[in-house]
Amino acid sequence: QQPVQSPQAVILREGEDAVINCSSSKALYSVHWYRQKHGEAPVFLMILLKGGEQKGHEKISASFNEKKQQSSLYLTASQLSYSGTYFCGTEISGGSNYKLTFGKGTLLTVNP
Amino acid sequence: NAGVTQTPKFQVLKTGQSMTLQCAQDMNHEYMSWYRQDPGMGLRLIHYSVGAGITDQGEVPNGYNVSRSTTEDFPLRLLSAAPSQTSVYFCASSGLGGTIHGYTFGSGTRLTVV
Repeated sequence: QQPVQSPQAVILREGEDAVINCSSSKALYSVHWYRQKHGEAPVFLMILLKGGEQKGHEKISASFNEKKQQSSLYLTASQLSYSGTYFCGTEISGGSNYKLTFGKGTLLTVNP
Repeated sequence: NAGVTQTPKFQVLKTGQSMTLQCAQDMNHEYMSWYRQDPGMGLRLIHYSVGAGITDQGEVPNGYNVSRSTTEDFPLRLLSAAPSQTSVYFCASSGLGGTIHGYTFGSGTRLTVV
């Protein structure tokens, strides 16, 4: 079952913050976050595991609310290089591990 | 380390033709998968494998076959191409127990069926 991402698109000025959300109707084992630039392959950013802590990567961090089966990706003080499409991928608890299902993506545009 | 290598990068097929998309990884990863990416649809899982000799279906398996005879290779076969299979195909791999390092994607194969 495909997770739901919001918003579908967001436009920022350099230095502004953004939050991208990912929610599932199923109990989750893990949530992955990836960034894809136009014409390129997705690149892994971070993973949040059930029972794990909030993760961080440079000025990009994420949280995982197990009760709500929701994850949020936080981009602070955005840079031009943050532009791209962000995907969350989810693995369901009790399901086949390594079966990663992706949301439809959030297009992030950072302007000067 | 080459990572995940996909060939070809581009392909045009006629309706009804068959072909194989190649995927090879040199990281000794147990897990490999195939996704297709269409505008506005995100990445949809076609087939995946958790080791040599073991494969399973994803969300959109119809029209595609896979096999996993070695750890390194995971080819995707289109049996009889249809225009609906026009898409960008990505192969990805991950080590068992190593999902904390995420999935590594190949650079993709852009397929057009006319």
